Amino acid sequence: DAGVIQSPRHEVTEMGQEVTLRCKPISGHDYLFWYRQTMMRGLELLIYFNNNVPIDDSGMPEDRFSAKMPNASFSTLKIQPSEPRDSAVYFCASSLSGAGTDTQYFGPGTRLTVL
Amino acid sequence: GDSVTQMEGPVTLSEEAFLTINCTYTATGYPSLFWYVQYPGEGLQLLLKATKADDKGSNKGFEATYRKETTSFHLEKGSVQVSDSAVYFCALSDINTGNQFYFGTGTSLTVIP
Repeated sequence: DAGVIQSPRHEVTEMGQEVTLRCKPISGHDYLFWYRQTMMRGLELLIYFNNNVPIDDSGMPEDRFSAKMPNASFSTLKIQPSEPRDSAVYFCASSLSGAGTDTQYFGPGTRLTVL
Repeated sequence: GDSVTQMEGPVTLSEEAFLTINCTYTATGYPSLFWYVQYPGEGLQLLLKATKADDKGSNKGFEATYRKETTSFHLEKGSVQVSDSAVYFCALSDINTGNQFYFGTGTSLTVIP
């Protein structure tokens, strides 16, 4: 399997612009997670889906952030409008089930820089 | 609530030295415990895991034992290599909270020749 795929790998944009990050989970995995990693705050869970349905979005920092999962093989994380403090590495991860013992498999991440 | 606490870094060791990175956890149920490794510029990769008390996870010379009595899951390696330089994250997953993972803050390891 190709693993979790994320695009783009790097994104540089200007404050106020819309940013869309994309993720393709491992085929057959029912759970998808979006994380943000910064030096100051470490790894933060933003939102996760089960069978394409958002389960917990309490980690989404504010209304400028939104996430969708229109089908089992694709998810997006959108920031509109973007701000410099959104600069971070965003990871997508997927797991087979919610059994609690399952491994989460991470994508390579998208490094976002907002100028 | 559930949480993970791991030792602060950075850690610098000479090649072939012994490594210990401490990790303790707090959980309401019976969690599974994980160590992930992140190499520069990459995503997190599973290093090893243990799903019940007294289990030992091992991989690539790294080991960690799930100690319920001390709520710990310390990572050890007998002889580190330069290629082990990375950031190591301890994490737990508790079935009571779905498959949500709780990650520690990460410990940066640098191994010098």
